[in-house]
Amino acid sequence: QSALTQPASVSGSPGQSITISCTGTSSDVGGYNYVSWYQQHPGKAPKLMIYDVSNRPSGVPDRFSGSKSGNTASLTISGLQAEDEADYYCSSYTSGSTRHVFGTGTKVTVL
Amino acid sequence: VQLLESGGGLVQPGGSLRLSCAASGFTFSSYAMSWVRQAPGKGLEWVSAITGSGVGTHYADSVKGRFTISRDNSRNTLYMEMNSLRADDTAKYYCAKDPMGVTRAFDIWGQGTMVTVSS
Repeated sequence: QSALTQPASVSGSPGQSITISCTGTSSDVGGYNYVSWYQQHPGKAPKLMIYDVSNRPSGVPDRFSGSKSGNTASLTISGLQAEDEADYYCSSYTSGSTRHVFGTGTKVTVL
Repeated sequence: VQLLESGGGLVQPGGSLRLSCAASGFTFSSYAMSWVRQAPGKGLEWVSAITGSGVGTHYADSVKGRFTISRDNSRNTLYMEMNSLRADDTAKYYCAKDPMGVTRAFDIWGQGTMVTVSS
């Protein structure tokens, strides 16, 4: 099972919007609405930001939104803030013996 | 709601180690749990999952046959028995709560425990 493909880095200025893509296959991203997104600051544990493609857990700002089209999911951060600078990982449920797969990760830099 | 991993350390190639994850603040037996690892400077890798009852287990191909996930619901504790350890198993190991089952997403994570496989 290969990792989902994300861009290595994305950057934006404060207040701007950025979008991170996450490309998989019909066996994972394209086949199920079970895509989630995690934020990880250096030295910290990951934090769930989006689940089931577009749902936000309680406490996550509505600046974070998720969507999916075919085999590609996306995370959009609107009104970028300094504290959004972190690594972001997508993940998906996958069919077969390996039940879950993460993306390669994207480093978000706030300029 | 908290998860606290322990049991990591330095082990020689071919050796064994058992990780533990103590849960508190939620009804442990009601939720599936997973282990996720992160090699130094690398991305996240899902390792294994177990259902709330402990009956169902799943593994990544990279650890199948070498790692065994288990849980003791009476002790609110998740385990990972790791055998035949290799250098590429070196990573921080996180336990994570799976609120909806089926490894859909992980809403609570521990702080991680570091495993280093080296001679």
